[in-house]
Amino acid sequence: SQQGEEDPQALSIQEGENATMNCSYKTSINNLQWYRQNSGRGLVHLILIRSNEREKHSGRLRVTLDTSKKSSSLLITASRAADTASYFCATGTQGGSEKLVFGKGTKLTVNP
Amino acid sequence: DTAVSQTPKYLVTQMGNDKSIKCEQNLGHDTMYWYKQDSKKFLKIMFSYNNKELIINETVPNRFSPKSPDKAHLNLHINSLELGDSAVYFCASSRGGNTDTQYFGPGTRLTVL
Repeated sequence: SQQGEEDPQALSIQEGENATMNCSYKTSINNLQWYRQNSGRGLVHLILIRSNEREKHSGRLRVTLDTSKKSSSLLITASRAADTASYFCATGTQGGSEKLVFGKGTKLTVNP
Repeated sequence: DTAVSQTPKYLVTQMGNDKSIKCEQNLGHDTMYWYKQDSKKFLKIMFSYNNKELIINETVPNRFSPKSPDKAHLNLHINSLELGDSAVYFCASSRGGNTDTQYFGPGTRLTVL
């Protein structure tokens, strides 16, 4: 069954604004990752946060993880038109069959 | 220079045919994967191989058969194609285990008519 659920499903903002996407999951994880997918392309890894970490930064990206609430958020600051893409969270499941389980993604549109 | 490459990029075929998709990675990674992305963009793992050994086989019909001739290649053969097989198939690789950072190929859009 699907593990991660992104929220919102779609987000439209103006260039320069911040974009926040959320991800909720159900079971224990060893890490949570965010990926970007431009239209018609493969997924590109953005950031990985381990289950014992609470926050991580990479350039204009900020990821938080709250394991007690089983949720994560991805913040993109000062968005650009080039940030237009779908963003997926992927949870690294623990125990048994370890694998990455992807959510359905948030489609972000940044208007120039 | 391409890290993970797949061929072909597009594949249009008739129901009942057999087709293959090839994947190669030049990252020196030990683990390779096949994912299926449906029309609603839901991405689901199908198989993973570590050093040519099958690790994950998610309830995929046995019409789908992965083959790993060496750790840099993971091909996907599909027999008796059905309409529901239409999707984008992504190959990916990672340095270590199944929950490591994954590097994706550009995808193969399969259309079954």
